[in-house]
Amino acid sequence: GDSVTQMEGPVTLSEEAFLTINCTYTATGYPSLFWYVQYPGEGLQLLLKATKADDKGSNKGFEATYRKETTSFHLEKGSVQVSDSAVYFCALFKNRGSTLGRLYFGRGTQLTVWP
Amino acid sequence: GAGVSQSPRYKVAKRGQDVALRCDPISGHVSLFWYQQALGQGPEFLTYFQNEAQLDKSGLPSDRFFAERPEGSVSTLKIQRTQQEDSAVYLCASSLRLAGDEQYFGPGTRLTVT
Repeated sequence: GDSVTQMEGPVTLSEEAFLTINCTYTATGYPSLFWYVQYPGEGLQLLLKATKADDKGSNKGFEATYRKETTSFHLEKGSVQVSDSAVYFCALFKNRGSTLGRLYFGRGTQLTVWP
Repeated sequence: GAGVSQSPRYKVAKRGQDVALRCDPISGHVSLFWYQQALGQGPEFLTYFQNEAQLDKSGLPSDRFFAERPEGSVSTLKIQRTQQEDSAVYLCASSLRLAGDEQYFGPGTRLTVT
């Protein structure tokens, strides 16, 4: 069935370090791919998305490219900040007919950035 | 404007009790979703409403779980005869129109069954 596998955490980095969080997916057809972020005490927020192969989603310095050949959607940021400390979730959206569909989430990766 | 709100934020229930969790979606949002997030896991889909119609309830784990959205706005997730394995964070999300539109999440209700 449809699923998402993401890199296990926690990930601990120093400020200004390069970040990669790996995400791979299993799905038939052409799902849309997402990264969500959950800051401490807050709800899930959409960080970025890509709806077709080779699309690059970007927001707040984060980027991810939809790679159909490797079924991957890895999250990257060139220089992390302390304020990026959060849990990051990779997700895919799979349509089921014209009106139905659901998000499938990975387990989440805790990122902690030290000053 | 206001985002998605959920109440209560925390709920402790004794095993066997019934609980009701409320979700207030963003005003005007047609689609509403419920997810269950166990500790250390990602959210898992429970059910989906379009207006008042429950179009997909295939994620509900047992017949003890019941959700409704009678007037197409506020939704309630009810769990009957709670069990310890029901302990989780229950998330509600809404989207403007279709299931595939961006989903906006509430802060969740943390349910602990003792």
